[in-house]
Amino acid sequence: QVQLVESGGGVVQPGRSLRLSCAASGFTFRNYGMHWVRQAPGKGLEWVAIISYDGSNKDYADFVKGRFTISRDNSKNTLFLQMNSLRTEDTGVFYCAKDRGLDYGIEVWGQGTTVTVS
Amino acid sequence: QSALTQPASVSGSPGQSITISCTGTSSDFGGYNYVSWFQHHPGKAPKLMIYDVIVRPSGVSNRFSGSKSGNTASLTISGLQAEDEADYYCSSFTSSSTWVFGGGTKLTVL
Repeated sequence: QVQLVESGGGVVQPGRSLRLSCAASGFTFRNYGMHWVRQAPGKGLEWVAIISYDGSNKDYADFVKGRFTISRDNSKNTLFLQMNSLRTEDTGVFYCAKDRGLDYGIEVWGQGTTVTVS
Repeated sequence: QSALTQPASVSGSPGQSITISCTGTSSDFGGYNYVSWFQHHPGKAPKLMIYDVIVRPSGVSNRFSGSKSGNTASLTISGLQAEDEADYYCSSFTSSSTWVFGGGTKLTVL
């Protein structure tokens, strides 16, 4: 079955960088768009970014534009989120999620990895 | 990018039906029918319950149904059960080719 396993979270100081990874299995990774979504403590889900199946198209939420970069390595079935210039408000759980197709909406979620900016 | 508007909380007794609304602008819904609903038990991965406004994924109970009228989408849960108690989020594809979530609704089964 589809499995998404995030890693790379941790505690980081404001202004520093962190790179999240998401290892995918159970489906043909290179055929699907992929998302990152975050949830701040006690808050709701916030969409962060999407990358197309081949990495050629990327879209971001306004609050991360210019700071975060989504990428993927289809040869390793892995999704990444490079987070630079981190702010305290970036603290939260970051989820990797598989799209239903190219860009039709999230279908499956990972368990998340926690990022604390402090 | 403001979140779609959902009630903060709803409640119902076992066996009853409840409806959660999700309101946005025409830009929030982008003229598409790419509205999804997710169930989230804290500490677990969210789960897709409805996509494309009305479609239930395989394995999701038929007690869950979706609809949309104008700029308001809705999730109805009939025959409430204790395990339905969770946070529920709507999501939509916007006219900016981005995605937006609702603020979330906490469902309490009394």
